[in-house]
Amino acid sequence: AQSVAQPEDQVNVAEGNPLTVKCTYSVSGNPYLFWYVQYPNRGLQFLLKYITGDNLVKGSYGFEAEFNKSQTSFHLKKPSALVSDSALYYCAVSPKSGGSYIPTFGRGTSLIVHP
Amino acid sequence: KAGVTQTPRYLIKTRGQQVTLSCSPISGHRSVSWYQQTPGQGLQFLFEYFSETQRNKGNFPGRFSGRQFSNSRSEMNVSTLELGDSALYLCASSSTPSGTGAVGNTIYFGEGSWLTVV
Repeated sequence: AQSVAQPEDQVNVAEGNPLTVKCTYSVSGNPYLFWYVQYPNRGLQFLLKYITGDNLVKGSYGFEAEFNKSQTSFHLKKPSALVSDSALYYCAVSPKSGGSYIPTFGRGTSLIVHP
Repeated sequence: KAGVTQTPRYLIKTRGQQVTLSCSPISGHRSVSWYQQTPGQGLQFLFEYFSETQRNKGNFPGRFSGRQFSNSRSEMNVSTLELGDSALYLCASSSTPSGTGAVGNTIYFGEGSWLTVV
């Protein structure tokens, strides 16, 4: 069975500093990996995804994520955090083949960017 | 183009009642999936429909059901509501159904329906 771990419930960073939100996964075979963001009282918004190819994926709002197969990780990064980036971030994984695609989501990480 | 639309956005029900939530997917999307989001359990998959057929079902009791219409709109129903059913119910749509992972199927979420059971 596939699983996603977001080891930090909360990440605090000062505005202007780089940020990293961690995600590790477990899946049979090669994965598709996704990041979503959820602002208060809103649904989830798609940020970026890894399908194949370049391990560094660039997404919306200046975010990027690096796929590391050996470490089974897909950490979300941004060079310079904004206060408006404060939100809940979800990592999700699904297998590339075999059985149901249904993505598995992590528990989420609350990102707080301080002015 | 319009995103995923969910109605109602907020509702309060009493234990034992039933509720029906509606979801209109992005135009052209034929796959609709439903998730329950709670502080304790996070995001949990309920079920997925494609072309009016349920393709996948999560680990929820039979009180939770859904359906999809020919225009791809979907409804989910929860009968005999319990306090623990209080949650944000999210609908998501995609252009291709699950199992076609070759394109790394991206799902797009609606704003959700907040259900409070009292």
